[in-house]
This record gives sequence, structure tokens and C-alpha cells, in this order.
Amino acid sequence: DAKTTQPTSMDCAEGRAANLPCNHSTISGNEYVYWYRQIHSQGPQYIIHGLKNNETNEMASLIITEDRKSSTLILPHATLRDTAVYYCIVYTGANSKLTFGKGITLSVRP
Amino acid sequence: NAGVMQNPRHLVRRRGQEARLRCSPMKGHSHVYWYRQLPEEGLKFMVYLQKENIIDESGMPKERFSAEFPKEGPSILRIQQVVRGDSAAYFCASSLGVHQGLGIGTEAFFGQGTRLTVV
Repeated sequence: DAKTTQPTSMDCAEGRAANLPCNHSTISGNEYVYWYRQIHSQGPQYIIHGLKNNETNEMASLIITEDRKSSTLILPHATLRDTAVYYCIVYTGANSKLTFGKGITLSVRP
Repeated sequence: NAGVMQNPRHLVRRRGQEARLRCSPMKGHSHVYWYRQLPEEGLKFMVYLQKENIIDESGMPKERFSAEFPKEGPSILRIQQVVRGDSAAYFCASSLGVHQGLGIGTEAFFGQGTRLTVV
């Protein structure tokens, strides 16, 4: 069972920042927050993960609240190719599996 | 450094035949995961394997499905006596494993999947 809740969908104008929220109020101390995306039935693509500090890589930034009960994935300059289903997952990484929920469908409009 | 390789990309089987799906993990990865995605549905976990061992098969149907990850060679997902309901995309992922505390090496990377069609 997914331990996260995400809005069903959102849209964003091309070139603007896309802020994707995720709630994980029951997250445990040893669980990380992972983000993946799936573009049109391709294999899921790893984006970023974090424990409690904010993280940034070449794809996105991850902002985790101080109480760790929610987080936001930020795509700083969304492009049409960022249209996808984005999954927020909490995961210990310790001999366990990633459990995908329904995710949020991001539509980037021209 | 090649990513996770799955083959074949597309597989057509008649009802009652066997389907063998192969997954070569990324170099150095010893953890493999299989997922199934039915049309218009989400990704469902099937099985998690480490070299030669099944760690978690809680998502595997009890009959006709099996998975292995031998010491040498790719991981294989085998479906015997396929039925139309087995038509789906099957994705494999691999990871280095676990580094406690930092999450390093726990990222799972996915292949492009095998689309199985049962006719």
C-alpha cells in the first residue's frame, strides 16, 4: 500500500516552475522520499531522493518539510517533455521494494 | 555504462504457450525487481531478487509465474500457459543494494519493459 498522497493532476506552462506536492504524514525515521516519473508507458525514470535535507540534481529539487510529513518536487523550468506521471514514494531501501501509487499527472502546456 | 536491458521489447504468444522475459541489470547491480503494468493501470510489484535468492515474491501470482536471478546471466521472468489477462508491460529494475543511513546505492533504475501480448 502506498504511504503517500498526491493530487491527481496538475498543469504548468512551459518554461515555468512545476511544483509537485506530496504528503507522507506516516513516514518513518528510516524512510526516504523518492520521486520517479513515467513518460507515456516508458520505463519509470528515477528523479531524486532525500531523507530530511533538501536535495538538488540536474533534473529537479526536492524540498522536504522539517517534520518530514510532506515534500515538494520542483522542476525549475518545465518543458513539454516533462509531461508525465510523477510518483512520490517512501522507501527504506533496506531489502524492500518500491510501491507505486497512482501518482500525479503533470501536463506541461505550450 | 549501459542501463537495465530488457528483451525482447515486444513478445506475442498464443494462449497456452510459455513466455520468457529477460532482464540484464546495470553493471554491478545485484538486486532485481519485476513489475507489471496492465493497460491503463499502475505499476504493480511482482518479485524482488538478489543473486540466486528470492527476497520478496508477495506480488507474484501463485500459479504459472516464476522468477530467477542466477549467479551468471540475466534475471528471467517466466510465465507458463499464458492467458489473455497476462497481456501487459513487464518492467525490470535493478539497484546496487543498500547503504544504510545515506540511501546511496538504493536507487532503482528501470528498463524499457517488455510488452507481452497474448492472442
